[in-house]
Amino acid sequence: AQSVSQHNHHVILSEAASLELGCNYSYGGTVNLFWYVQYPGQHLQLLLKYFSGDPLVKGIKGFEAEFIKSKFSFNLRKPSVQWSDTAEYFCAVNAMNRDDKIIFGKGTRLHILP
Amino acid sequence: DTAVSQTPKYLVTQMGNDKSIKCEQNLGHDTMYWYKQDSKKFLKIMFSYNNKELIINETVPNRFSPKSPDKAHLNLHINSLELGDSAVYFCASSPPGSHGYTFGSGTRLTVV
Repeated sequence: AQSVSQHNHHVILSEAASLELGCNYSYGGTVNLFWYVQYPGQHLQLLLKYFSGDPLVKGIKGFEAEFIKSKFSFNLRKPSVQWSDTAEYFCAVNAMNRDDKIIFGKGTRLHILP
Repeated sequence: DTAVSQTPKYLVTQMGNDKSIKCEQNLGHDTMYWYKQDSKKFLKIMFSYNNKELIINETVPNRFSPKSPDKAHLNLHINSLELGDSAVYFCASSPPGSHGYTFGSGTRLTVV
């Protein structure tokens, strides 16, 4: 069965620091990959997604993620974080050729210090 | 216009009661979902409907019953509510091909 693992449960950074959140998935076939963000008290919003093509995907608010197929990874990065990036970040995967179910990781809570 | 709307936003009820949460999407998507987010923020899929047909039914107690009167609506009815049902329930929809979900704003259910 497909699964998603997010390495960091809670990350604390100062403003302007660089960010990398780890995500690994387990599924041997073709996948669609996503990062969602949930700001405090709000619903989930799509940050970026990878379906095919260039493995370096750019999303909203300066976020990007790199799909490395050999490592089954899809890490999220941002060169310089802002206080407003404080939120919960979820990596998610959908296994192609199966149902449209998206499996979410357990999330990483990002706290940016002003 | 709200793309995926859920009502109510907050629901506080006593154990043993029966309650419903409604979800509507105006995106023209064929597939709708219910997810449960627990106190640790873990998101777990409960159900998925495609064009009114049940596609995914995860290991959810049969006290939970989804109903889809048409492809734009997916309601969730919960019988005999228990303390452990307290969570935030998110509705979502997607077009064909798993291009990502659009989520509703969530319903925070508190069972006392």
